[in-house]
Amino acid sequence: KAGVTQTPRYLIKTRGQQVTLSCSPISGHRSVSWYQQTPGQGLQFLFEYFSETQRNKGNFPGRFSGRQFSNSRSEMNVSTLELGDSALYLCASSLDVTVNQPQHFGDGTRLSIL
Amino acid sequence: ILNVEQSPQSLHVQEGDSTNFTCSFPSSNFYALHWYRWETAKSPEALFVMTLNGDEKKKGRISATLNTKEGYSYLYIKGSQPEDSATYLCAYASGNTGKLIFGQGTTLQVKP
Repeated sequence: KAGVTQTPRYLIKTRGQQVTLSCSPISGHRSVSWYQQTPGQGLQFLFEYFSETQRNKGNFPGRFSGRQFSNSRSEMNVSTLELGDSALYLCASSLDVTVNQPQHFGDGTRLSIL
Repeated sequence: ILNVEQSPQSLHVQEGDSTNFTCSFPSSNFYALHWYRWETAKSPEALFVMTLNGDEKKKGRISATLNTKEGYSYLYIKGSQPEDSATYLCAYASGNTGKLIFGQGTTLQVKP
């Protein structure tokens, strides 16, 4: 069974640009969550999607947005990139939204802002 | 602001040593506590999901306990091996959703 797939693995952008990251969950998983990890910080929750609906959003500015498609694949978009957006972005999928389900993580997209 | 604290921040042990880490979380609005192992150059891997006070889970040489009333969980590794070297993360859920609040992690280095 294929795991969670994130593309691209690495990305270099400059300030002011925008970026779109993609996440394909494990087949049959309907919930997708996104996290950001910056140096010195733990994993910070960005958003959670289930059945194409955003169910939760973390404490991030409106420049961070996302969506989920009918096949459960998800994308997140960051507009007007800032240096502080340089981070590892992880996507995780689970069968549904219940909290007793483990989350299965992808390898992440490492975003560098110059 | 919900805070999840893990201690120690890092740990160096010899192969064969047993070790344990602590995860502290808010005792109110508790729904679940997750443990993940994150090895270098890999993705985080789920170890345990615990929901009930007094829960004890075991996977090989690794076990975990949960005290929701006082807001802590312990992760134990018996007879540490070099392949146990990783960062161990705990994550707390305050609602029945997929939103997890992660601690900063405990990085374990096991020397042969």
